Amino acid sequence: GAGVSQSPSNKVTEKGKDVELRCDPISGHTALYWYRQSLGQGLEFLIYFQGNSAPDKSGLPSDRFSAERTGGSVSTLTIQRTQQEDSAVYLCASSLTQASYEQYFGPGTRLTVT
Amino acid sequence: GNSVTQMEGPVTLSEEAFLTINCTYTATGYPSLFWYVQYPGEGLQLLLKATKADDKGSNKGFEATYRKETTSFHLEKGSVQVSDSAVYFCALVGAGGTSYGKLTFGQGTILTVHP
Repeated sequence: GAGVSQSPSNKVTEKGKDVELRCDPISGHTALYWYRQSLGQGLEFLIYFQGNSAPDKSGLPSDRFSAERTGGSVSTLTIQRTQQEDSAVYLCASSLTQASYEQYFGPGTRLTVT
Repeated sequence: GNSVTQMEGPVTLSEEAFLTINCTYTATGYPSLFWYVQYPGEGLQLLLKATKADDKGSNKGFEATYRKETTSFHLEKGSVQVSDSAVYFCALVGAGGTSYGKLTFGQGTILTVHP
């Protein structure tokens, strides 16, 4: 079956613009995670969804970042008023449940803020 | 909070050499431990895992043993191949329901294997 997909694969935006990043998890996976991979910070957790709710948003770096998940499936990560320090690869992962311990990662969206 | 420390890279080896990438962690209780691999141009993939002390995870010739006494999960392979060139990440999921399965990663180790 299909793996986790993310779009766009690359996004270049000007500082101050808003961006939306999309994640399509594996069908039937109830848990969905967003991570960010950057040179300075390595791989860091952003937010976790169980179904459509987000019990853990502790990794979101500022209130410019938000995410939602609809229908227990697709998730969108939105960054408002982008800054240069937001440049990174944004990774989405899904797992069957939050306790199943095997997370399947998408290919990522490379965001560049100019 | 939880943290993972990996040996700094890059690591450069000749084909058929022995590989060790050190990983130590800080966490309360009994976390689950993982090695993820990122091949050039590809996404992160789970390489192996261990969910309790003294467990050994293994896959594709790689092994790692969960050592609670030394809080370590070192990755080893007896004979590396050029195709093993990748970035390797050690990671953990904290114990307890509030961990929500979220991964805490080490900084990654770049491995390059030459023919």
